[in-house]
Amino acid sequence: EPEVTQTPSHQVTQMGQEVILRCVPISNHLYFYWYRQILGQKVEFLVSFYNNEISEKSEIFDDQFSVERPDGSNFTLKIRSTKLEDSAMYFCASRLDREYEQYFGPGTRLTVT
Amino acid sequence: KNEVEQSPQNLTAQEGEFITINCSYSVGISALHWLQQHPGGGIVSLFMLSSGKKKHGRLIATINIQEKHSSLHITASHPRDSAVYICAVRSAGFQKLVFGTGTRLLVSP
Repeated sequence: EPEVTQTPSHQVTQMGQEVILRCVPISNHLYFYWYRQILGQKVEFLVSFYNNEISEKSEIFDDQFSVERPDGSNFTLKIRSTKLEDSAMYFCASRLDREYEQYFGPGTRLTVT
Repeated sequence: KNEVEQSPQNLTAQEGEFITINCSYSVGISALHWLQQHPGGGIVSLFMLSSGKKKHGRLIATINIQEKHSSLHITASHPRDSAVYICAVRSAGFQKLVFGTGTRLLVSP
């Protein structure tokens, strides 16, 4: 069964460093998402991406964040200058079309020290 | 007030028991999702509903659009059902999901 994959599974970085989290969505899906979950808290929406552009973003997704689909298969989330409060599990998800369910990747645990 | 409220927050059951988890929401929605999150953190989509009822194996999900309420039922619960169950809604006209805080279920043998 096709699945969403994410790399790395765990990333440790120092405050102020740039990180890129990578996702490979299911191949024929058209809608892509990033979510995050701070330890012990609920999952929060960050951004949705469709037709090579951001279709919706949350207040969390400020200028420090960016997304890209550089080659038609990968979908990346970049954090330019990480803060301690960026430590969280980041989930990528994809969806075939508007009325279909989302499929989640296994997550990348980001630890900022 | 949170847009999505779940109850109970924690639930313990004996193997074989019938389990119900509830979700209430305050906005107009285009779809409601039930998700399962295992201790390792991965999220699995169980159901997407916009009306009525869906069944998959021992899991049943119902939604009442007028009352803005959904329930997830697990029949003949098993220890492997132990996980966090999350309700999430997609508001009409939006792409994003808004998540509840989850219900932590522990099923004992």
